[in-house]
Amino acid sequence: QVQLQESGPGLVKPSQTLSLTCTVSGGSISSGSYYWSWIRQPAGKGLEWIGRIYTSGSTNYNPSLKSRVTISVDTSKNQFSLKLSSVTAADTAVYYCARDRVVGDILTGYYFNWFDPWGQGTLVTVSS
Amino acid sequence: EIVLTQSPGTLSLSPGERATLSCRASQSVSSSYLAWYQQKPGQAPRLLIYGASSRATGIPDRFSGSGSGTDFTLTISRLEPEDFAVYYCQGLTFGGGTKVEIK
Repeated sequence: QVQLQESGPGLVKPSQTLSLTCTVSGGSISSGSYYWSWIRQPAGKGLEWIGRIYTSGSTNYNPSLKSRVTISVDTSKNQFSLKLSSVTAADTAVYYCARDRVVGDILTGYYFNWFDPWGQGTLVTVSS
Repeated sequence: EIVLTQSPGTLSLSPGERATLSCRASQSVSSSYLAWYQQKPGQAPRLLIYGASSRATGIPDRFSGSGSGTDFTLTISRLEPEDFAVYYCQGLTFGGGTKVEIK
C-alpha cells in the first residue's frame, strides 16, 4: 500500500526558508485522482492544512499561509515538496504529508476531501 | 471560511461505554462534507470516517459517523482500551479536537 515519508532539516533559522520533501512509495504519485497535501501541528495543538498539489502542478493553498508557501511535485522521483519562507517561531511544528482525495470542484469551493494515508511526520524547529 | 467547533473538549469515559463526539459547522455544508481522524500521542492522525459516514479501510464497525447541515457526530459504540485518543473532524479546515480519556 502507499506510504509517505517526510524528510528535511529539523532546525531552521528565523527569516529563512523551511524546505521539506515527501517521498511516496508503494505506488505512483501520478496514478489515481489524488492530490498531495502538507499539514502541520504545533506541539500540543491542533492540525492546520497548509496546501495541496495535483500531479499536473495545480496548487491550492491555505489563504492564511499563501503568501509564504510553495508546493511543487517531481513525478520522476515520486516526490512532492514544501517551501515556507520567512519563518518565525510560530512555524515550529510537526509537518505531515498526506494523500488527499478530493471530491468536487476546488475552483468553485464546492468540494470535500479526506487525507489518507499520512506520513509519520517530521518536527521542524525555528530557532537561531 | 467555515469554522468547525468540536465538543466536548475532553470526554472522560470507561472502557465499554459509548462515546458521542460532536462537530458543528459555522454554516450549513454538504452532507458528505466531513471526515474524522484519530490521533494517539506521537503518531500521525489516522482516517476513521470520510464523506461523513463511510468507514475507512480497516476501521472497526464500532466507529460510525452521521450528521448533516451543521451538526455531525462520531460515535464509538463501545470503547476499547486502544480508542482513548484525540479525535479531529475535518472539512475545509480542522476542528480543534476532542480528547477521549479514561475515567
